[in-house]
Amino acid sequence: AQKVTQAQTEISVVEKEDVTLDCVYETRDTTYYLFWYKQPPSGELVFLIRRNSFDEQNEISGRYSWNFQKSTSSFNFTITASQVVDSAVYFCALSEARGYSTLTFGKGTMLLVSP
Amino acid sequence: KAGVTQTPRYLIKTRGQQVTLSCSPISGHRSVSWYQQTPGQGLQFLFEYFSETQRNKGNFPGRFSGRQFSNSRSEMNVSTLELGDSALYLCASSFGTEHSYEQYFGPGTRLTVT
Repeated sequence: AQKVTQAQTEISVVEKEDVTLDCVYETRDTTYYLFWYKQPPSGELVFLIRRNSFDEQNEISGRYSWNFQKSTSSFNFTITASQVVDSAVYFCALSEARGYSTLTFGKGTMLLVSP
Repeated sequence: KAGVTQTPRYLIKTRGQQVTLSCSPISGHRSVSWYQQTPGQGLQFLFEYFSETQRNKGNFPGRFSGRQFSNSRSEMNVSTLELGDSALYLCASSFGTEHSYEQYFGPGTRLTVT
């Protein structure tokens, strides 16, 4: 069965520090997608990125970057020069070809960025 | 483009009662999924609807049910509420039902069962 593990429950950093959120997944499918979502205190999950299982290129979007490694089944997320507004819970999620668009989420990592 | 809307945003019910939550997807999106979020279990998939048909269902008791209308709006119903049903219920919409489509979430309905 599919599974997503986010081992870091909570991370606290000071503004401008870089921070990496870890995500490890398990799936038997060869075709799958990985996602990152952000959940601020308001509760709404905000889509950040989608990556398919055939594309291992790293991606950078502004201060955000993602490192996808199939060899270690990991899809890590790095925030460079963190800001207070980055404080939120971040979820990694997996969808498999046979599961329609159903997402399997990790438990989330709470990121606290202090001034 | 308007986002996913959910009503009501907050709800307080008593054990044994039933509740109906509503979700309006982004215009043009035909797939609607429901998730339950609790501190203990995290985010868990309830069910997914596409073109008024339930395509997938999570591991929840039959007290949890849903439906989708021809305009893609969806409702979920929980009967005989239990204290453990207290949670944030999130609705998500996507263009299609393929696993490649990203899902866009609404603000959620916070249900408290007393």
